[in-house]
Amino acid sequence: DAGVIQSPRHEVTEMGQEVTLRCKPISGHNSLFWYRQTMMRGLELLIYFNNNVPIDDSGMPEDRFSAKMPNASFSTLKIQPSEPRDSAVYFCASSFQGQPQHFGDGTRLSIL
Amino acid sequence: AQTVTQSQPEMSVQEAETVTLSCTYDTSESNYYLFWYKQPPSRQMILVIRQEAYKQQNATENRFSVNFQKAAKSFSLKISDSQLGDTAMYFCAFMKLSGTYKYIFGTGTRLKVLA
Repeated sequence: DAGVIQSPRHEVTEMGQEVTLRCKPISGHNSLFWYRQTMMRGLELLIYFNNNVPIDDSGMPEDRFSAKMPNASFSTLKIQPSEPRDSAVYFCASSFQGQPQHFGDGTRLSIL
Repeated sequence: AQTVTQSQPEMSVQEAETVTLSCTYDTSESNYYLFWYKQPPSRQMILVIRQEAYKQQNATENRFSVNFQKAAKSFSLKISDSQLGDTAMYFCAFMKLSGTYKYIFGTGTRLKVLA
């Protein structure tokens, strides 16, 4: 049974570039979460989708960040333009009806 | 608003010994779940154990058990017979069962198991 799949695993890019992180949730899960993890701020929820609809995006830091879920099996988190302070590990997680969230392996993003 | 507090930033334990990680939370909700997640150096987030608030019996998963004190809003994790592979960050998380299913995470406890 495949878990949550995130790509890429690592991303290094220069500031000002567009970054797109991808996530494939577990089949059958109807909730999807994007998190950011840094040493300073710990785990932060960025946005949460339920049945492909964004429910809570209050954690999205600024307009440079956007997330989409065009269908039940795919979501993207985009940063444009990227800045060095966006460097972090980004996690995607999915769940079904309030059951425990299953996390992907994360994307380590480094903005130079 | 709910909050989750892990007051021990770092802990260490000798291999084969027992260690308890503390977690307290604040909520006015009556129906909720509590979780412990483990994040080893590989950075995966792995579910260790969960507790439903309506259950009085403490959850147990092999060497991992919790002490859930609902009135005190306390949810500690006990690791018995600690192993080197238990070295990781441990996060406590709260999820209410009404409205959204988002987690409120604590700041984590870094546990090191010493040989």
